[in-house]
Amino acid sequence: GQNIDQPTEMTATEGAIVQINCTYQTSGFNGLFWYQQHAGEAPTFLSYNVLDGLEEKGRFSSFLSRSKGYSYLLLKELQMKDSASYLCAPLDSNYQLIWGAGTKLIIKP
Amino acid sequence: IAGITQAPTSQILAAGRRMTLRCTQDMRHNAMYWYRQDLGLGLRLIHYSNTAGTTGKGEVPDGYSVSRANTDDFPLTLASAVPSQTSVYFCASSLTSGHLNEQFFGPGTRLTVL
Repeated sequence: GQNIDQPTEMTATEGAIVQINCTYQTSGFNGLFWYQQHAGEAPTFLSYNVLDGLEEKGRFSSFLSRSKGYSYLLLKELQMKDSASYLCAPLDSNYQLIWGAGTKLIIKP
Repeated sequence: IAGITQAPTSQILAAGRRMTLRCTQDMRHNAMYWYRQDLGLGLRLIHYSNTAGTTGKGEVPDGYSVSRANTDDFPLTLASAVPSQTSVYFCASSLTSGHLNEQFFGPGTRLTVL
């Protein structure tokens, strides 16, 4: 079966760094997406990894290890506006996104 | 219209009633999707369309139907609503259904079935 595992909730301090982990098992693999979703709003695209390694985009970076079925999202210099849920979503062999339940990130001053 | 829109924003519906959720995009995207999002669960795909004129079933299609008569519109119909269909419904679109198919989401429709 297909399965996505992410922590349910994490807490971090403003200005700090946080790493959100995601492990996955899918039928085939065609890359992995990370989305951000603020409460009551729609998900918005953050990053896409298809090859192993780190992709950096400003304060956010995403890492992928295909052999381990593992990805993480790294957020640096945390700001209060980063309080949101972060959704891990691998793309399976049918090019359908398989969504995790998301990690709710709480930023404290 | 800019991006992807959904209507209505929210709706309270009596069980057994028929309801159509509307979704329109102006980005000329080929692929469109309907998801439902329930507390504690990931987004679940209801139906999708890779291109105008074609549709496919997702993970949870029962009780829902879709049509894709043109590129822009992708309505979702609940033929006879039941309380378990209470959820937030998101429509999304992407340029293609293949690699790097970044999906753009509408603002969502909050549906309550009593």
